Amino acid sequence: AQSVSQHNHHVILSEAASLELGCNYSYGGTVNLFWYVQYPGQHLQLLLKYFSGDPLVKGIKGFEAEFIKSKFSFNLRKPSVQWSDTAEYFCAVANAGGTSYGKLTFGQGTILTVHP
Amino acid sequence: DTAVSQTPKYLVTQMGNDKSIKCEQNLGHDTMYWYKQDSKKFLKIMFSYNNKELIINETVPNRFSPKSPDKAHLNLHINSLELGDSAVYFCASSRRGLAGGPGGNIQYFGAGTRLSVL
Repeated sequence: AQSVSQHNHHVILSEAASLELGCNYSYGGTVNLFWYVQYPGQHLQLLLKYFSGDPLVKGIKGFEAEFIKSKFSFNLRKPSVQWSDTAEYFCAVANAGGTSYGKLTFGQGTILTVHP
Repeated sequence: DTAVSQTPKYLVTQMGNDKSIKCEQNLGHDTMYWYKQDSKKFLKIMFSYNNKELIINETVPNRFSPKSPDKAHLNLHINSLELGDSAVYFCASSRRGLAGGPGGNIQYFGAGTRLSVL
């Protein structure tokens, strides 16, 4: 069974600091990778995704993530965070085929707090 | 014009009761999901329907019964509610494309239903 591990439960930063949130998954097959964000009181929104091709993917609001297959990692980065980035971030993995197609496995989430 | 809408947003009920949560999507997707987010914030899939057909059924007590009257709706009915059912339940939908395709696995989520069982 696939699993997803996010390294940090709570990250606290000041505005303009750089951000990196770790995500590792365990699954031997072809995967699709996602980062979702949940702003306070709102629903989960897709931040970015990786299906194939360039392992460095760019998402909305200046976020990017790098897929390193050899490390089973998909870390999220942002060079300079803003107060409005305060939210909870979820890494997710989906089997890209087979009988479990469409099933997303989520990490436990990382709360990001950005101080002005 | 919310893409995936769930009702109710909050649900407080007594143990032993039966309750339903409704979900509707207006994205034209053919696949819908129910996830449970527990107190530790883990999101776990419960069910998935594609064109009204059950395609994913995780190990969930049979007190939980999903019902999909059409591909735009996926309701979750819970019988004999227990304390451990307290959680946030999220509905999601996606277009079921080819494996690894650009649209097949992108899931759009509702705002969640916070269920509290007393």
